[in-house]
Amino acid sequence: KAGVTQTPRYLIKTRGQQVTLSCSPISGHRSVSWYQQTPGQGLQFLFEYFSETQRNKGNFPGRFSGRQFSNSRSEMNVSTLELGDSALYLCASSLSSQGGRGKETQYFGPGTRLLVL
Amino acid sequence: AQSVTQLGSHVSVSEGALVLLRCNYSSSVPPYLFWYVQYPNQGLQLLLKYTSAATLVKGINGFEAEFKKSETSFHLTKPSAHMSDAAEYFCAVRTNTGNQFYFGTGTSLTVIP
Repeated sequence: KAGVTQTPRYLIKTRGQQVTLSCSPISGHRSVSWYQQTPGQGLQFLFEYFSETQRNKGNFPGRFSGRQFSNSRSEMNVSTLELGDSALYLCASSLSSQGGRGKETQYFGPGTRLLVL
Repeated sequence: AQSVTQLGSHVSVSEGALVLLRCNYSSSVPPYLFWYVQYPNQGLQLLLKYTSAATLVKGINGFEAEFKKSETSFHLTKPSAHMSDAAEYFCAVRTNTGNQFYFGTGTSLTVIP
C-alpha cells in the first residue's frame, strides 16, 4: 500500500510569488490535514479537508488556502509569499478525521520543504 | 486556549537506560493525545495515541504512555533505550470540540552508546 506522497519535495520561491503544494493520501483515506513546521513556531495545524470540504482551520492568514478533489488528493496554496513562510509543510491522511478516530492511524507524508528568498 | 507543554527540549540517555519524555496538556475535557516521532528529513510517525479507552497506552517500538487526568500529563516511556530511538518526539492534543490539533515544541532524544 503506497504511503502519503507529497510533491514537490523541495521548492525555492521568492517573496511575493505564490506556490501550490500537492498531497496524495493513502488510498481510501478521505481526511487530509496540512501542517507547517518551522524552527521558530514548531508544528502548527493549517487545515483539514474531508470529502472535498474544509472541516477545520488553524490560525493562519487568508494567504493560506487549500482544496480537496473528489479522489481525496489535496492541494494547498500560499499566495504573496513572505520570508516567514519558509518551512516544512507536512500533509497527513486518515480514514475519517485528523488524528484518526478510535483505532485509526493518521499517516504523514515526508513533507515539502519550501524556501522563500 | 489549548496548550501542550513538553518539558525538556533535549534529553540524553545511555543505551539501555529508561527513556522518559514529559508532556502536559491543558484541557478541561480529556482530549485525544498523541505521541509522534520524527527522524531527520522525514515526516511524523505515530507512536501511540490515547482515546479514553485505556489510561496506559502501548505503542510501537516498545514505547508506552500513561494518561493521568489528575496531573494532566501524558508522559512517554520506554524501558530500555536503543540507538535507533534517537529522534525528535512530539506530543500533540486534538480537542474534542472544534477538532483542533496542537503540538508541543518537541523533545530531541539523544542516545549515548
